[in-house]
Amino acid sequence: ETGVTQTPRHLVMGMTNKKSLKCEQHLGHNAMYWYKQSAKKPLELMFVYSLEERVENNSVPSRFSPECPNSSHLFLHLHTLQPEDSALYLCASSQDSVNTEAFFGQGTRLTVV
Amino acid sequence: DQQVKQNSPSLSVQEGRISILNCDYTNSMFDYFLWYKKYPAEGPTFLISISSIKDKNEDGRFTVFLNKSAKHLSLHIVPSQPGDSAVYFCAASARNSGNTPLVFGKGTRLSVIA
Repeated sequence: ETGVTQTPRHLVMGMTNKKSLKCEQHLGHNAMYWYKQSAKKPLELMFVYSLEERVENNSVPSRFSPECPNSSHLFLHLHTLQPEDSALYLCASSQDSVNTEAFFGQGTRLTVV
Repeated sequence: DQQVKQNSPSLSVQEGRISILNCDYTNSMFDYFLWYKKYPAEGPTFLISISSIKDKNEDGRFTVFLNKSAKHLSLHIVPSQPGDSAVYFCAASARNSGNTPLVFGKGTRLSVIA
């Protein structure tokens, strides 16, 4: 148990669907992150939120839309995805965005069909 | 261009022997380095870190060495155990440069053979 919980663990969605990934942290951290892990690629940072404000968006397509309603919750809203978006999506949190150790959730395995 | 490189995608080691995982980086602003371990179907978990003011950090069976002039770090696991079999990610951060989240390598899959 890392203190970072992601739901669902697995998701299969069609290209016209809308779905959301949820992340919750119980560590009192101020920064939360979405990462994407594709086969044979490094972990790619997608979004960073610090104190509920988005501080970084690494040129992620608009079909991925993050939401951070409070410091404990982070969502990733998905809309009209492509098959190449199939990957493991990992949420992480850290004390602050200057980065002490980040704690990761177990990830959501997303398959776009 | 990859700023953090783990050039060995996989490594096999006999139980009881030393495992050495390597990592190279290109950004001279990086001043904090971490190793994460990832089992299948789980998120990465923090293993050990080192600040650029040090050249070695040890925690039990795990030691990280940093060679700043070569922009190279390595993780040594000794003795290796079958439970160490996992994917190991090297990560780096430029903490003194402000808001820079971790940059990860592609990972090295370690298999410890009993």
